[in-house]
Amino acid sequence: KQEVTQIPAALSVPEGENLVLNCSFTDSAIYNLQWFRQDPGKGLTSLLLIQSSQREQTSGRLNASLDKSSGRSTLYIAASQPGDSATYLCAGLGSARQLTFGSGTQLTVLP
Amino acid sequence: DTAVSQTPKYLVTQMGNDKSIKCEQNLGHDTMYWYKQDSKKFLKIMFSYNNKELIINETVPNRFSPKSPDKAHLNLHINSLELGDSAVYFCASSQDWGTGISGANVLTFGAGSRLTVL
Repeated sequence: KQEVTQIPAALSVPEGENLVLNCSFTDSAIYNLQWFRQDPGKGLTSLLLIQSSQREQTSGRLNASLDKSSGRSTLYIAASQPGDSATYLCAGLGSARQLTFGSGTQLTVLP
Repeated sequence: DTAVSQTPKYLVTQMGNDKSIKCEQNLGHDTMYWYKQDSKKFLKIMFSYNNKELIINETVPNRFSPKSPDKAHLNLHINSLELGDSAVYFCASSQDWGTGISGANVLTFGAGSRLTVL
């Protein structure tokens, strides 16, 4: 059964810094890996989806990578801003054809 | 115009009561989901429907019963509420289910329904 882990659970950085969020998964037979953002009291917003055949996806200041062989994905945020403060969740679509979520990394970007 | 809308946003009720949460999507998606987010923020799939057919039914007490009258609606009914049912319940939809086609699995989430059982 797919398990998804995110480290660290919380991260605080000063504005302008580049940062990396980590996600690891146990089922290498993954169809895709998705990154979401959750703001307090809100639903999830999809940020990026990487298909199993892809190595990375980019959207603006965000870049997500996928390494199936090592069971890892990273989300790189360039030039962080206070508005980036949120909880970031990764989720893998595994062989059971359902998304399994990690517990998230709570990011705080200090002005 | 909200893409995935859930009602109510907040629900406070007593143990033993029966309650329902409604979900509607106007995206024309074929697949809808119910997720439960507990106090530790873990999101777990509960149910998934594709074109009104149940395709995922995780280990959820049978007090929880989903109903999909059409593919734009997926409601969640909970009988005999217990303290442990307190959580935020999220509805979501996607264009398709498990096909691996780029973009078809991207989920759009509702804002959540916070259920508190006293």
